[in-house]
Amino acid sequence: SQELEQSPQSLIVQEGKNLTINCTSSKTLYGLYWYKQKYGEGLIFLMMLQKGGEEKSHEKITAKLDEKKQQSSLHITASQPSHAGIYLCGADNSGGYQKVTFGTGTKLQVIP
Amino acid sequence: NAGVTQTPKFRILKIGQSMTLQCTQDMNHNYMYWYRQDPGMGLKLIYYSVGAGITDKGEVPNGYNVSRSTTEDFPLRLELAAPSQTSVYFCASSYAGQDTYEQYFGPGTRLTVT
Repeated sequence: SQELEQSPQSLIVQEGKNLTINCTSSKTLYGLYWYKQKYGEGLIFLMMLQKGGEEKSHEKITAKLDEKKQQSSLHITASQPSHAGIYLCGADNSGGYQKVTFGTGTKLQVIP
Repeated sequence: NAGVTQTPKFRILKIGQSMTLQCTQDMNHNYMYWYRQDPGMGLKLIYYSVGAGITDKGEVPNGYNVSRSTTEDFPLRLELAAPSQTSVYFCASSYAGQDTYEQYFGPGTRLTVT
């Protein structure tokens, strides 16, 4: 079955600093999702990557999928307290039904 | 649009009791999903549905049942609650179309079985 490993498990950064979260898959990905979860709430979609080498940005968050489609990174530039939360990567290996396998998440704290 | 709504928000069950977690979406999405999230863990898929009348098992279906009689509703049934089912349950929905991938999540139901 699909396994996703995220690193680091938790991260504490000073406001204004850049940071990177990694997600590694045991299998080639049909698609790689990034979601953000605020504490005690549901998940919010950030972006989805499908093609090897693809890169997408949303405000100050950039995600990349490597050429082999087994690793993705999420980069936040000039972090703000509003970026705090849990970031989860998810793998779509269903090829159509959007059945997503999620990683264990990276907990981000941003200190003002 | 209300999006995806879940009831109840919190529930405490005794071992062996039954309950139904309700999930409704008003976005006319064809796909719906139930996930559970244990402390410090990612989400695991319990059941999913690709349309009214069609359901299928996910990664951790044991101890749960679902039905999908309408496009809007996707209830999750726990028949004999066990402590291992203590978790936060999330319902999600999505529209299966070209270049549409986003799953919309409800706020979750926090369930404790004692």
